[in-house]
Amino acid sequence: AQTVTQSQPEMSVQEAETVTLSCTYDTSESDYYLFWYKQPPSRQMILVIRQEAYKQQNATENRFSVNFQKAAKSFSLKISDSQLGDAAMYFCAVTISNFGNEKLTFGTGTRLTIIP
Amino acid sequence: GAGVSQTPSNKVTEKGKYVELRCDPISGHTALYWYRQSLGQGPEFLIYFQGTGAADDSGLPNDRFFAVRPEGSVSTLKIQRTERGDSAVYLCASSLGGLAGVDTQYFGPGTRLTVL
Repeated sequence: AQTVTQSQPEMSVQEAETVTLSCTYDTSESDYYLFWYKQPPSRQMILVIRQEAYKQQNATENRFSVNFQKAAKSFSLKISDSQLGDAAMYFCAVTISNFGNEKLTFGTGTRLTIIP
Repeated sequence: GAGVSQTPSNKVTEKGKYVELRCDPISGHTALYWYRQSLGQGPEFLIYFQGTGAADDSGLPNDRFFAVRPEGSVSTLKIQRTERGDSAVYLCASSLGGLAGVDTQYFGPGTRLTVL
């Protein structure tokens, strides 16, 4: 079974600044996938970024990037040039590929507040 | 449709009643997942469908919960004899369902169930 830990229940950042959200995970599998999802008040989970464990290069998507430390089982999300629209709950998740069953295991989330 | 839709958006019921929650996935997505998100928590896996069949129902908390997907598209989550502890947001997600790699799951806005 997989587990995900997000140790920061709340974070805040000044608009236009950079913030890093932490995530650690545990799995006995060698082939797994990591995700960061954003959940605004509308409740809809939106994919921010994904990382395949077999890839050494850290994933980036515009202002969002990850620091994937496989040996430490750490997967942090860096948001650069923070914008008001980034305010939301952020969830880290992990899954393994099991013949099509890709159920996600989520952490408890980090609430990000953007200070204007 | 353009995205995953869920109805109703909110459902209030009395303890002991029966409820049905509907999920309409993205057209062409063969994989469908149900998750439950309790207050202050991350989503937790309930059940996974590949096509019409429930391939993994290991997350269903007890036999009061049941889900169907008769034509491989729309899915209904059914809860019998509801209890106050069933109050949560029920999220549905769909993905392409291919066997190569891991597909991104796209989430609906969820149904907030309140059991009085």
